Amino acid sequence: EAQVTQNPRYLITVTGKKLTVTCSQNMNHEYMSWYRQDPGLGLRQIYYSMNVEVTDKGDVPEGYKVSRKEKRNFPLILESPSPNQTSLYFCASKFDRVNEQFFGPGTRLTVL
Amino acid sequence: DAKTTQPPSMDCAEGRAANLPCNHSTISGNEYVYWYRQIHSQGPQYIIHGLKNNETNEMASLIITEDRKSSTLILPHATLRDTAVYYCIVRQTGTASKLTFGTGTRLQVTL
Repeated sequence: EAQVTQNPRYLITVTGKKLTVTCSQNMNHEYMSWYRQDPGLGLRQIYYSMNVEVTDKGDVPEGYKVSRKEKRNFPLILESPSPNQTSLYFCASKFDRVNEQFFGPGTRLTVL
Repeated sequence: DAKTTQPPSMDCAEGRAANLPCNHSTISGNEYVYWYRQIHSQGPQYIIHGLKNNETNEMASLIITEDRKSSTLILPHATLRDTAVYYCIVRQTGTASKLTFGTGTRLQVTL
């Protein structure tokens, strides 16, 4: 089944404890992206990657890192999480030439 | 990307057609209209897109006015599972970068 998977789905952590949220897609998509969703603010893009080893900042990249070593994986790294990074996070992927994005199920992160 | 305007909420009776409007008066000639929906904190789901002709797929129909300044997403026989937030997005096709989701229309389908 074609899908985008994220792990973990739920995470409660404490300020400053490094964490990684994984994202994987099995559709051979070139483009992958991370969004966060907060009440009243809609979805905001954090980082995106147009292909392996190519990443760029979105609208709200501060406090986040990403890497794209393989085409199928695009992990989101929070080196030192803070409470303002408490949010619902979505990974998405698509083929380069189209705009139909496939979204993962979301990761609900709480930073205490 | 052109800005879109949608009503914040709508109700629809189950089995009836749900017509969700979207205004995009500043749309340019090479921008497509995309619709996504998000069911209760799940990942957004692509529904349909179009440029100027009306489009239909297994989920919905998209009607774009001749001047392309507005469009309507039609769910022909709404069910309770169609209750979701629907987002209208205007975007050039083939470009990377972000999709800007506004606040969308919250559709409530009722018995």
